[in-house]
Amino acid sequence: QKEVEQNSGPLSVPEGAIASLNCTYSDRGSQSFFWYRQYSGKSPELIMSIYSNGDKEDGRFTAQLNKASQYVSLLIRDSQPSDSATYLCAVNRGTGFQKLVFGTGTRLLVSP
Amino acid sequence: GAGVSQSPSNKVTEKGKDVELRCDPISGHTALYWYRQSLGQGLEFLIYFQGNSAPDKSGLPSDRFSAERTGGSVSTLTIQRTQQEDSAVYLCASRGVGETQYFGPGTRLLVL
Repeated sequence: QKEVEQNSGPLSVPEGAIASLNCTYSDRGSQSFFWYRQYSGKSPELIMSIYSNGDKEDGRFTAQLNKASQYVSLLIRDSQPSDSATYLCAVNRGTGFQKLVFGTGTRLLVSP
Repeated sequence: GAGVSQSPSNKVTEKGKDVELRCDPISGHTALYWYRQSLGQGLEFLIYFQGNSAPDKSGLPSDRFSAERTGGSVSTLTIQRTQQEDSAVYLCASRGVGETQYFGPGTRLLVL
C-alpha cells in the first residue's frame, strides 16, 4: 500500500462544474496535508494546506480533511480550463514541516 | 525577489558518467529539499537540509547519490556512475519559516 494514494485520472469535468479530487493516506500520525498544482512541464506550486478536521476554503478551492477516515480532498468550484493540471496531495507525517510524502497526482481536465 | 533556481535546466549524459545538479534556494530559506520525479510519477523525496543540522538522507536511492549544501545556501546533488533509471526531473525546493515549499524549475536528466 502506498503511503499516499490518489486516482491518477484523468478526471474530466465541464467548465463551471465542481471538480472533486481525493487522497487517502496510511499513516495515522500524519499532521499536515497539502495540495499542490503542477502544470505540464512545470514545477509544483502550493494551493492549499489543511491541518484540522473539517473544511478550509480559499476562493474557489475547498480542502476537506477527515483524519478518522484518513482522507483529504480538494474541491474546485466553477472549474475553469486554466485549472487543467495535475494535483498532487502531500502529507507531512511529523510535527513541523519536515518531509512531505507525495501522491502520484490526479490529472484534471476541464473542458470549455 | 528571485525564486529557487536550478542548473542546468537539461542534462544529457552517458551511462556511467557522473553528473552534478545545482540548486540556489530563495535567500534566507533555511530548509532545502531535493526530490525526483519520473515520468508520470509523483515526487520522490531524496534529501532534506535544515540549517546546520545533519541532513536527512533517508530518501537517497543508492550510494551513488550524494548531496551537499555549502554555507547554508547553494546545494549540489551528485549522481555517480549514472544509470538509465536515473533519468528523471530533479526538483529542488526551499522553505522559510512557514509551511510552503517553493520549487525550482527542475533539471531534466536523461541518461543514454
